[in-house]
Amino acid sequence: NAGVMQNPRHLVRRRGQEARLRCSPMKGHSHVYWYRQLPEEGLKFMVYLQKENIIDESGMPKERFSAEFPKEGPSILRIQQVVRGDSAAYFCASSPGAGYGYTFGSGTRLTVV
Amino acid sequence: GIQVEQSPPDLILQEGANSTLRCNFSDSVNNLQWFHQNPWGQLINLFYIPSGTKQNGRLSATTVATERYSLLYISSSQTTDSGVYFCAVGEGSGGSNYKLTFGKGTLLTVNP
Repeated sequence: NAGVMQNPRHLVRRRGQEARLRCSPMKGHSHVYWYRQLPEEGLKFMVYLQKENIIDESGMPKERFSAEFPKEGPSILRIQQVVRGDSAAYFCASSPGAGYGYTFGSGTRLTVV
Repeated sequence: GIQVEQSPPDLILQEGANSTLRCNFSDSVNNLQWFHQNPWGQLINLFYIPSGTKQNGRLSATTVATERYSLLYISSSQTTDSGVYFCAVGEGSGGSNYKLTFGKGTLLTVNP
């Protein structure tokens, strides 16, 4: 069991570009969560998805951020027109059911220059 | 929203020492998890423990939900235990406490 796979591990984008972060959940897990870790804010919930459905996106910024978890393939967190404030570590987690123990991926470190 | 407070914020130990980390939360929960973030940034789930006591090797955890706190015990600490320990509490709608609120963490340094 390969665990939760995130890629890329590191991503550098210029201001105004798009960032796409990918997450493949653990085998058998159908619940996916995205969290952002900023040095001064800690780990914050962004969005909770199940296959083809966004269940809760209350932690997502209203503009430029979107997430999907298609029927086939990984979950994608997309950030359009990145700004320096988007620089952070983005973690994906999966679980076999809502509220059960999470397994986190290794994260994607996004740097906006 | 729910508040999560962890103590102490920093802890320095000599290898072989024992320690207790505390997590207080402001409301009743039915989802509480402990995580270790190692120096490389990886988040490892240590325990899913909304109530009761669990043990895994040198680590154990106890949650007293009625008194709104959880404790993480580390015995015979090793240098590889260094990192940040997070307590996270679940809150969400419809009884599914899927949305975790993290504490600020305890930074543990174990010296050889």
